[in-house]
Amino acid sequence: EVQLLESGGGLVQPGGSLRLSCAASGFTFSNFAMSWVRQAPGKGLEWVSGISGSDSGTYYADSVKGRFTISRDNSKNTLYLQMNSLRAEDTAVYFCATDYGSYLPQLAYWGQGTLVTVSS
Amino acid sequence: DIVMTQTPLSSPVTLGQPASISCRSSQGLVHSDGNTYLSWLQQRPGQPPRLLIYKISNRFSGVPDRFSGSGAGTDFTLKISRVEAEDVGVYYCVQATQFPRTFGQGTKVEVK
Repeated sequence: EVQLLESGGGLVQPGGSLRLSCAASGFTFSNFAMSWVRQAPGKGLEWVSGISGSDSGTYYADSVKGRFTISRDNSKNTLYLQMNSLRAEDTAVYFCATDYGSYLPQLAYWGQGTLVTVSS
Repeated sequence: DIVMTQTPLSSPVTLGQPASISCRSSQGLVHSDGNTYLSWLQQRPGQPPRLLIYKISNRFSGVPDRFSGSGAGTDFTLKISRVEAEDVGVYYCVQATQFPRTFGQGTKVEVK
């Protein structure tokens, strides 16, 4: 069974930093690109960042470029999102999701999400 | 970036009746590998999104056959043949042909 478990969310002041993690199990993690998607309170879904299975390619939404860094550790089956210079508008639930890969469609599986609140 | 536009944004339906959601992309979604990576997601209240349909018309594992997808080019449709109570939620189209992935605004399906 595929499982994705996000952690690391919490309350942070504007300008602060947080590091989110997504622990994956039930599939061959290194064979799949991964994405982070966020959802502000009461709003729709916004794609944030993606990374290829081999870590050779990283992609960012313009809204987070230069502030967020996506990475992965295939030996630990874990995806990360380092978030710096946080703003109030970054407040959202952050989901990790499987992206393109060898035997699953894009965005096939999602975690439960972790809440990030940016406020003073 | 590709802009995804959904209509309607709200769809009150009677249980047992059909529902239809449209999604239009600002440009074609055919990937260089020949596939069109247009998917539909369902998000029930308080839940994460769930993949329903991928590559326009393929139902994902465990998705009931009352859900179907169709379309080509820049126009796509999700249909629910007979809405059940468990179908209440917000539905999103998303293109995964290129980065950045982009979502439609979401369509809220609710019971009349």
